[in-house]
Amino acid sequence: KAGVTQTPRYLIKTRGQQVTLSCSPISGHRSVSWYQQTPGQGLQFLFEYFSETQRNKGNFPGRFSGRQFSNSRSEMNVSTLELGDSALYLCASSLRGSANEKLFFGSGTQLSVL
Amino acid sequence: DQQVKQNSPSLSVQEGRISILNCDYTNSMFDYFLWYKKYPAEGPTFLISISSIKDKNEDGRFTVFLNKSAKHLSLHIVPSQPGDSAVYFCAAKSGGGADGLTFGKGTHLIIQP
Repeated sequence: KAGVTQTPRYLIKTRGQQVTLSCSPISGHRSVSWYQQTPGQGLQFLFEYFSETQRNKGNFPGRFSGRQFSNSRSEMNVSTLELGDSALYLCASSLRGSANEKLFFGSGTQLSVL
Repeated sequence: DQQVKQNSPSLSVQEGRISILNCDYTNSMFDYFLWYKKYPAEGPTFLISISSIKDKNEDGRFTVFLNKSAKHLSLHIVPSQPGDSAVYFCAAKSGGGADGLTFGKGTHLIIQP
C-alpha cells in the first residue's frame, strides 16, 4: 500500500506570493490533516478534512486554507506569504479521523519564503 | 500556552541501556496519547499509543506509561539500539475525534555506541 504522498518536496517563494501544496492520502483513508512544523513552535495543527468538508481548524490566520476532493486528495493554500510561513508542512491521513486512530504522515513539503 | 511539554530537547543514551523520554500535559480533556518518531527529511512515524483508560501499553521494545493524576507520560525503549536515534514527539488528543493532535516540541534521542 502506498503511503501518504506530498508534492512538491521543496518550494521556494517570495513574500507576498501564494502557494498550493498537495497531499494524496493512503488509499481508503478519508480523513486528511495538515500540520506546520517550525523549529520554534514544533508541530502545529492547521486543519482536518473529511469527506470534502473541513471538520476542524487550528489557530492559524485566514491566509491558510485548504480543500479536499472527492477522491480524498487534499490541497492547502497559503496566500500573501510571510517570512514566518517558512516551515515544513506535513499532511497526515487516517481512515475516519476518529479519536483513537493513528495518523500516517507524509514526508512533507519544505517551504522557504524569501 | 504549551499544552504538551517535552522538557528535554535532547537525550543521550548508551546502546543497550534503557531510554526514557518524558512528556507532561496540562489539558485534562486529553484522553488519547501517542508517540511519534521522526528522522530528518521524513514525516513522523507512529510508534505507540495509549488511551486514558490504561496506565501502560507495551509493544516490543517500546512501553508507554501514563500517570493521569500527574498528567505525565513516558516512553521507555529497552534495549536502546543505534536505529532509535531520532526525534521523538509526544502527542495528545481529546475525545470527539475531529480535533487535531497537539504535539510537544520533541526530544532528540542520541544512542551512543
